[in-house]
Amino acid sequence: DAGVIQSPRHEVTEMGQEVTLRCKPISGHNSLFWYRQTMMRGLELLIYFNNNVPIDDSGMPEDRFSAKMPNASFSTLKIQPSEPRDSAVYFCASSVGATTEAFFGQGTRLTVV
Amino acid sequence: QKEVEQNSGPLSVPEGAIASLNCTYSDRVSQSFFWYRQYSGKSPELIMSIYSNGDKEDGRFTAQLNKASQYVSLLIRDSQPSDSATYLCAVNMDSNYQLIWGAGTKLIIKP
Repeated sequence: DAGVIQSPRHEVTEMGQEVTLRCKPISGHNSLFWYRQTMMRGLELLIYFNNNVPIDDSGMPEDRFSAKMPNASFSTLKIQPSEPRDSAVYFCASSVGATTEAFFGQGTRLTVV
Repeated sequence: QKEVEQNSGPLSVPEGAIASLNCTYSDRVSQSFFWYRQYSGKSPELIMSIYSNGDKEDGRFTAQLNKASQYVSLLIRDSQPSDSATYLCAVNMDSNYQLIWGAGTKLIIKP
């Protein structure tokens, strides 16, 4: 298996633009997590899906952020409009069940200028 | 508030020595414990998982769990410069899906 695949690896965008991050979880994994990592705040859970259903989005910073999982092999995290404070590394992770080992994608480094 | 605490370091260890990384957690009923390694600019990589009290060994790595004292540690034997990274402790509390993450300990192995 190729592991969790994220795209793009790097994204530079102007403030106010829409940004869409993509994730393909490991086949057979039914739990998917979106994280954000910054030096100041460390790893923060944004949203958790189980069997394609959003279970908890309490970590989503504000309405500018939205996430979808239309099927078991694809998820998106969208920021609209983007702001400079959204600059961070965004990770997608998947696992078999919510309480077992999670495997991370390579991350998307987002820079909003 | 559920917390996972780690010393931020940096922890400097000479090559070939044992590196000892510690993590404490606040919720006594926590059930799953994980150690991840993160190189600068890379994603967290799972090293060890441990679910019951005692030691679990995998190669040069040993995870130790003490639920009564609410700590979990990671020992790295025969430390190598390639072990230099930030080590993240993650705890699953109350069978809740959400992993609570420590801030990580930066480990430096000096040749």
